[in-house]
Amino acid sequence: QQQVKQSPQSLIVQKGGISIINCAYENTAFDYFPWYQQFPGKGPALLIAIRPDVSEKKEGRFTISFNKSAKQFSLHIMDSQPGDSATYFCAASNLRNTDKLIFGTGTRLQVFP
Amino acid sequence: NAGVTQTPKFQVLKTGQSMTLQCAQDMNHNSMYWYRQDPGMGLRLIYYSASEGTTDKGEVPNGYNVSRLNKREFSLRLESAAPSQTSVYFCASSPYQPQHFGDGTRLSIL
Repeated sequence: QQQVKQSPQSLIVQKGGISIINCAYENTAFDYFPWYQQFPGKGPALLIAIRPDVSEKKEGRFTISFNKSAKQFSLHIMDSQPGDSATYFCAASNLRNTDKLIFGTGTRLQVFP
Repeated sequence: NAGVTQTPKFQVLKTGQSMTLQCAQDMNHNSMYWYRQDPGMGLRLIYYSASEGTTDKGEVPNGYNVSRLNKREFSLRLESAAPSQTSVYFCASSPYQPQHFGDGTRLSIL
């Protein structure tokens, strides 16, 4: 019940296209859903996060869509750029009880010019 | 601002050797974490410290020990390294959220 399932494992997108990464969870107590971005040789860094009281959050070209009833959330990268090539991790937490995160297994995104 | 600093960046050990991975943060965060990252497995929590003097096991604590020396420093020790512990190790700190990560220690055990 603590798992966060992430797909796809890898994604290849052409420059200007839309990249979509999906995550699903089982624990209905989760109330915080961040996405982290990791470049080669670096640690992950927070990209964008959402709480379950909203269905969508947008920051520039990055959007989180959240479906509480389906227990799914996704990251959309509009107008994908080669500089977006990185590994993306979704995560979830129950912030009322802990600040620990449960991470998905990661998606390696490659954006080709 | 240094953020989260991990040392060393790379290390090769022989099976059975011991070593300590060091982590320090300069952001005055209460919580600190040790993760390991393996291909296809994501980030798995090894140990966690909510504050100075407290530590808790995470998902994969076997074979590891930790010390929260003070608010700034959180070290991870491998007492008797095994090839299964070959991984990239990340330290993170947080005031609550988000977590701030170091750039990792790449550890190979032969």
